[in-house]
Amino acid sequence: IVLTQSPATLSLSPGERATLSCRASQSVSTYIAWYQQKRGQAPRLLIYDASSRATGIPARFSGSGSGTDFTLTISSLEPEDFAVYYCQQAKTFGQGTKVEI
Amino acid sequence: EVQLVESGGGVVQTGGSLRLSCAASGFTFSNYWMSWVRQAPGKGLEWVANLEENGNYKQYVDSVKGRFTISRDNARDSLFLQMNSLRVEDTAVYYCARVITAHDYGDHWGQGTLVTVSS
Repeated sequence: IVLTQSPATLSLSPGERATLSCRASQSVSTYIAWYQQKRGQAPRLLIYDASSRATGIPARFSGSGSGTDFTLTISSLEPEDFAVYYCQQAKTFGQGTKVEI
Repeated sequence: EVQLVESGGGVVQTGGSLRLSCAASGFTFSNYWMSWVRQAPGKGLEWVANLEENGNYKQYVDSVKGRFTISRDNARDSLFLQMNSLRVEDTAVYYCARVITAHDYGDHWGQGTLVTVSS
């Protein structure tokens, strides 16, 4: 399975809404996770099973989708949200989307 | 608090070996699958290997099969990655991660250890 994330880079301002896409090459039901990675840090699990927020993740992060098309939405960007985001299905990761100011 | 601390990275020549360790604390280590995931400089994440709770069932990405061995010591709450016949393309930060569910989600990650393979 190949995961394709778009866009590669998203340029937004604090307070704006971010919409990140992850497309799978074949149906994966809802078995998708999303991670955030800041420079020099380990990835952090945000969302699993497409729409379940991991422990401690703020409500501004939400996930949706099923089958082949998935979306991570950040409802209102905080300064600490500017990072790279990866989707994952089993042992495959997408190439990442950088959310920059 | 769940903590994962990797060690053992360093600089090694092509064809050499390294053994990475991951010390776990704050949870019942023997109840979880564990993974190694790597990230080449400036690149994305690549899953490397998984190991089930008892250490018997192992999975590897094709590029490391026959060269890397994942193992664990549940009595010492530790995960290992023995890396042999290292190649330049194995250069990366190696993370250990605790796996939740059958779908390989990593809910806690260590800070990573850098492996540099030089020619």
